[in-house]
Amino acid sequence: TQLLEQSPQFLSIQEGENLTVYCNSSSVFSSLQWYRQEPGEGPVLLVTVVTGGEVKKLKRLTFQFGDARKDSSLHITAAQPGDTGLYLCAGETSNYQLIWGAGTKLIIKP
Amino acid sequence: EAQVTQNPRYLITVTGKKLTVTCSQNMNHEYMSWYRQDPGLGLRQIYYSMNVEVTDKGDVPEGYKVSRKEKRNFPLILESPSPNQTSLYFCASSPVNYNEQFFGPGTRLTVL
Repeated sequence: TQLLEQSPQFLSIQEGENLTVYCNSSSVFSSLQWYRQEPGEGPVLLVTVVTGGEVKKLKRLTFQFGDARKDSSLHITAAQPGDTGLYLCAGETSNYQLIWGAGTKLIIKP
Repeated sequence: EAQVTQNPRYLITVTGKKLTVTCSQNMNHEYMSWYRQDPGLGLRQIYYSMNVEVTDKGDVPEGYKVSRKEKRNFPLILESPSPNQTSLYFCASSPVNYNEQFFGPGTRLTVL
């Protein structure tokens, strides 16, 4: 069974701090998606990374796919209260399925 | 507006009383799926459908049924709900199963 482990499970920091969340597996993925879910809503896609070593930036968010395509990270610079939410990663397996991580709950305090 | 809609958004029911949660998408997507979300467990797939009249079990199908008679609709049916089915349910659609998933707003179900 392929697993995607996200860490930390919970993170609460002050506005303006930097943070990194991780998505790790022992399996190789064809691509990896990052979603953000706000309270009372469904997850919304932030980015998809496809190539090993790929780095994508979305304003203050930087996403990286590991060279071996087994792991990914999300780094947020100067976190804002609007970044609060549940961050989920989902990996595309070799048989075209999506495997979901359990999520990182992020709270940014003003 | 491209969207996935779910109804109802909130539902409190009692054990054994059959219920249906509706899901509809207006993006002409082939692929639709149902997930349940529980604290610490993330999203777990219940059932999915690759196209009309084609449905398959996901990771946690026990106690649920689905149907896909039309491309846009994918209802989730609980024939005899039990308290362990209390959860937050999401419907999602996508052009293909491994692409970006478009989620509905969720249905919070409580079974007493």
